[in-house]
Amino acid sequence: DAGITQSPRHKVTETGTPVTLRCHQTENHRYMYWYRQDPGHGLRLIHYSYGVKDTDKGEVSDGYSVSRSKTEDFLLTLESATSSQTSVYFCAISRSGSESYEQYFGPGTRLTVT
Amino acid sequence: GDSVTQMEGPVTLSEEAFLTINCTYTATGYPSLFWYVQYPGEGLQLLLKATKADDKGSNKGFEATYRKETTSFHLEKGSVQVSDSAVYFCALSRTGNQFYFGTGTSLTVIP
Repeated sequence: DAGITQSPRHKVTETGTPVTLRCHQTENHRYMYWYRQDPGHGLRLIHYSYGVKDTDKGEVSDGYSVSRSKTEDFLLTLESATSSQTSVYFCAISRSGSESYEQYFGPGTRLTVT
Repeated sequence: GDSVTQMEGPVTLSEEAFLTINCTYTATGYPSLFWYVQYPGEGLQLLLKATKADDKGSNKGFEATYRKETTSFHLEKGSVQVSDSAVYFCALSRTGNQFYFGTGTSLTVIP
C-alpha cells in the first residue's frame, strides 16, 4: 500500500463548470503525476510535479492545470469541464531515490461531464 | 521518442493455459521496464520490474525478461487462473520522472 488517496472517487458535473480533483500521499515522495485513462489510449500523462510548486506538462495538458503547495497534495483542476474530459483520472507517485523509479497509483477518480 | 507497444487484446484463455503478452519498446539508453496489472475498478498495481538487460522480473507466477537485443519485455505465466483476469500494462522509464505506458491488454480467464 503506497499511501495514496484520491478524492472524490466519483463525480458528475456539467459542461462549463470548474472541477478540482485531489491526490494525497502519506509517504513524502518528491514526484507526483496525474494521468487519464481512456479506452484505446491506455494511460496518458496530464501533468506531473517534481517538488512543491514545481510542475510540468505532460502530453495531454490542454484544459488542465495543477498545483502543489504541499509535498503531500497534488491538485488537478479542470477550469471549464468539457465532455471530452469524461475519463478516469489516476494519481501516481514515484519513489525518489528508487533505483528503478517504479510508480505507485491511487484508486482513481471517475469523472463524468454531462 | 520513448514508447511502448504491446499486443492488442482482448485475450481469452482457459484456466491453466499458458499466457504470453508481448511488449516491445523504443528508447535510447537503458530504461527500466515494468508490468502493471489493473483489476476492475482499481488503480494500477506494479506486478514486476527489470532494471537492466537480461534481468528477469517475477511475481505471483508471472515472469518477464529484459531483452536488449530484441527490445522486448514479454509477460509470461505458465498456468493462468480465473483470478488473473485483468488488464495488463507494459511501461518503461529512463529518467524516473517520465513514464511511458502501452495501451493495455485485457485478459479473461474462463474456468
